[in-house]
Amino acid sequence: GQNIDQPTEMTATEGAIVQINCTYQTSGFNGLFWYQQHAGEAPTFLSYNVLDGLEEKGRFSSFLSRSKGYSYLLLKELQMKDSASYLCAVMDSNYQLIWGAGTKLIIKP
Amino acid sequence: GAVVSQHPSWVICKSGTSVKIECRSLDFQATTMFWYRQFPKQSLMLMATSNEGSKATYEQGVEKDKFLINHASLTLSTLTVTSAHPEDSSFYICSARTLLAGEISEQFFGPGTRLTVL
Repeated sequence: GQNIDQPTEMTATEGAIVQINCTYQTSGFNGLFWYQQHAGEAPTFLSYNVLDGLEEKGRFSSFLSRSKGYSYLLLKELQMKDSASYLCAVMDSNYQLIWGAGTKLIIKP
Repeated sequence: GAVVSQHPSWVICKSGTSVKIECRSLDFQATTMFWYRQFPKQSLMLMATSNEGSKATYEQGVEKDKFLINHASLTLSTLTVTSAHPEDSSFYICSARTLLAGEISEQFFGPGTRLTVL
């Protein structure tokens, strides 16, 4: 079966760095997406990785290792507005997105 | 990024009535649209995938006669919840994607529709 695993909840301090991990097992791989979702709102796109390595975009970076079925989202200089759920999703061989359950990130002052 | 709109943003209806939700891609043509349902504190659950001009593909456990999907054009898809019941109360989100040969496109999400069935 297809499976995406990520921690249910994480807590971090404003100004700090946090890494949210995602491991996956899917039928085929056409890339991994990270989305941010604030409560009561739809997800918004953060990043896309299809090749191994680190993709940096401002305060957010995303890493992928295809051989390990592993990705992480790194958030630097955390701000209170970063409190949200972060969803990991893998596009399988049928170009369908398989979603993780999401990681709720709580930022404390 | 591309914009996807949903209407209405929230709706309250009586049990037994039908509710139609519209999803539009405003500045691009969506070859594929997806309908998701999300219960509180849970992740997105894909209900169905629809390609313009063809019948929707429903996920296991989703009743196609209850959740009617029409993807009549490259910019519009509708989800009709027929004979709604309180257990259908949820956050319904559509997303749209253009998939070109050799390209992977991100999915753009609508703002969601919160349905409450009394």
